Amino acid sequence: SQQGEEDPQALSIQEGENATMNCSYKTSINNLQWYRQNSGRGLVHLILIRSNEREKHSGRLRVTLDTSKKSSSLLITASRAADTASYFCATAFAQFYFGTGTSLTVIP
Amino acid sequence: DTGVSQDPRHKITKRGQNVTFRCDPISEHNRLYWYRQTLGQGPEFLTYFQNEAQLEKSRLLSDRFSAERPKGSFSTLEIQRTEQGDSAMYLCASSLGFMDREYEQYFGPGTRLTVT
Repeated sequence: SQQGEEDPQALSIQEGENATMNCSYKTSINNLQWYRQNSGRGLVHLILIRSNEREKHSGRLRVTLDTSKKSSSLLITASRAADTASYFCATAFAQFYFGTGTSLTVIP
Repeated sequence: DTGVSQDPRHKITKRGQNVTFRCDPISEHNRLYWYRQTLGQGPEFLTYFQNEAQLEKSRLLSDRFSAERPKGSFSTLEIQRTEQGDSAMYLCASSLGFMDREYEQYFGPGTRLTVT
């Protein structure tokens, strides 16, 4: 079963625009992570935010976490065609749960 | 560091047969995870190991599934009496076992299982 759900399920933007995707989860967490999966390739860890953090940056990525709402968002700024991929949030507590993913298409 | 490797990459089997997959984690990683992923879905957690100890196992994992990591290095995932519903990509990941790095998982390319 999936713990998290991403929203939107699919997103299509022009190169250079910002992309925002959201994740909601159900239970307590130690941390929340975001992963990227290119078509036909493996998952790659992008960023981790701890449960006591509210915002974190890494390069063109910005992640926010609201534990009261059990939600997180991932912002990719100045998108590139190479950002085209599926993005998953993942939560860790006793077990590890991935969401259903957002499919991002960046049009050159 | 050659990354996480999985073998085989593809497996086609007939319903009722047993299959075994192997995962070799990154050498210094002491945590190893198994997931299953079907088309259009996120990875579904199956189980994970800290060294040779199996710490958590999904309640969704039927008794037809068993995983081992006998020496705390490579791991095997066996599915007995395969069913068509077992068709999926089986992913292995590894991570360091301390501080936040324990959650930063490095994934292998997966083994695609097709049960006919």
